[in-house]
Amino acid sequence: DIQMTQSPSSVSASVGDRVTITCRASQGISSWLGWFQQKPGKAPKLLIYAASRLRSGVPPRFSGSGSGTDFTLSISSLQPEDFATYYCQQANSFPSWTFGQGTKVEIK
Amino acid sequence: QVQLQESGPGLVKPSETLSLTCTVSGGSITSYYWMWIRQPPGKGLEYIGYFHYNGGTNYNPSLKGRVTISADTSKNQFSLDLSSVTAADTAVYFCARAFRYDSSVYADFWGQGTLVTVSS
Repeated sequence: DIQMTQSPSSVSASVGDRVTITCRASQGISSWLGWFQQKPGKAPKLLIYAASRLRSGVPPRFSGSGSGTDFTLSISSLQPEDFATYYCQQANSFPSWTFGQGTKVEIK
Repeated sequence: QVQLQESGPGLVKPSETLSLTCTVSGGSITSYYWMWIRQPPGKGLEYIGYFHYNGGTNYNPSLKGRVTISADTSKNQFSLDLSSVTAADTAVYFCARAFRYDSSVYADFWGQGTLVTVSS
């Protein structure tokens, strides 16, 4: 199985800050990576697919980059509604999807 | 807009079979992939399996043959059966729709999730 490792596991930030989350795959996955946002008690929400493609309706302050084994999710100016847990998910070896362990973005 | 809703018992006894149904509205299950994903309390996400109208089913090997996913196109529903459950199967179970982009697949619409607790 391809293992996905996110860092940091949590980050404290203020409204307006730029936040970057990284995700590393245990082997190359080309650009087949998705990013999800999950709020407590809610289902995950797809933000980014194919590493850098913004899902329709997702604010442009979210962006993704990377290929191979190293990927990032950036939030350019953190908004109050962005405090949540973010997961990466490799889609290279579908159907053997695997997810990262999550990164919690907390209010500083 | 596609909507998904999970239904089924919230409590299952150890060694019994967990059975959930996902009812889809706003779209037909004869297109796309239809997934089951779970999340143990306070933990991360785990892929369980999928149904695809033309592609059949696929299951996570880690669940060791305990999983069956089936579909009823006349009701626009798909179902999950997980047999011989233990406390480790306690989780929020999500159903989701997934689309194919090039050679990869991503879940873009999700149900709200349903907590299933395995306990005697």
